[in-house]
Amino acid sequence: GQNIDQPTEMTATEGAIVQINCTYQTSGFNGLFWYQQHAGEAPTFLSYNVLDGLEEKGRFSSFLSRSKGYSYLLLKELQMKDSASYLCAPMDSNYQLIWGAGTKLIIKP
Amino acid sequence: GAVVSQHPSRVICKSGTSVKIECRSLDFQATTMFWYRQFPKQSLMLMATSNEGSKATYEQGVEKDKFLINHASLTLSTLTVTSAHPEDSSFYICSARKAGGQETQYFGPGTRLLVL
Repeated sequence: GQNIDQPTEMTATEGAIVQINCTYQTSGFNGLFWYQQHAGEAPTFLSYNVLDGLEEKGRFSSFLSRSKGYSYLLLKELQMKDSASYLCAPMDSNYQLIWGAGTKLIIKP
Repeated sequence: GAVVSQHPSRVICKSGTSVKIECRSLDFQATTMFWYRQFPKQSLMLMATSNEGSKATYEQGVEKDKFLINHASLTLSTLTVTSAHPEDSSFYICSARKAGGQETQYFGPGTRLLVL
């Protein structure tokens, strides 16, 4: 079967760094996406990893290890507006995104 | 850019009526559009994949006669919820993938449907 495992909820402090881990199992693999979803809103694209390694984009970085079925999203210099759910979505052999419930990140001042 | 719009953003209707939701890619052509539904505190659920000029592919358990999808152009797809019932109340979100082989899905802002 296909599944995604992410922590349900995480809490971090404004200005700090947080790492959100994701392990996945899919039928085939065509890359992995991270999306941000604020409450009551649609997801917005953050990153796409198809090769192993770290992709840095401003305050956000995403890492992928295909052999381990593992990815993480690293958020630096946390701001209150970063409070949201973060969705790890691998793409299977049919180019379909597999969605879990995501990780709700709570930022405290 | 990659902007996707949806209209309406919010709709309230009576049970038994039909509701049409439009999804447009504003600054790119989208050969493929996706329709999702999301209930509160749950994950996105793919309803169907829509390719321009062809019939939509529905996920298991999604009634194609109830959720009519039309993808008439490279920038527009519509979802019609026919004979809506209270259990159809949900957050409907479309996404679009650019033509040319890029895999990223860009999401519209969503449509919140409430059926009374």
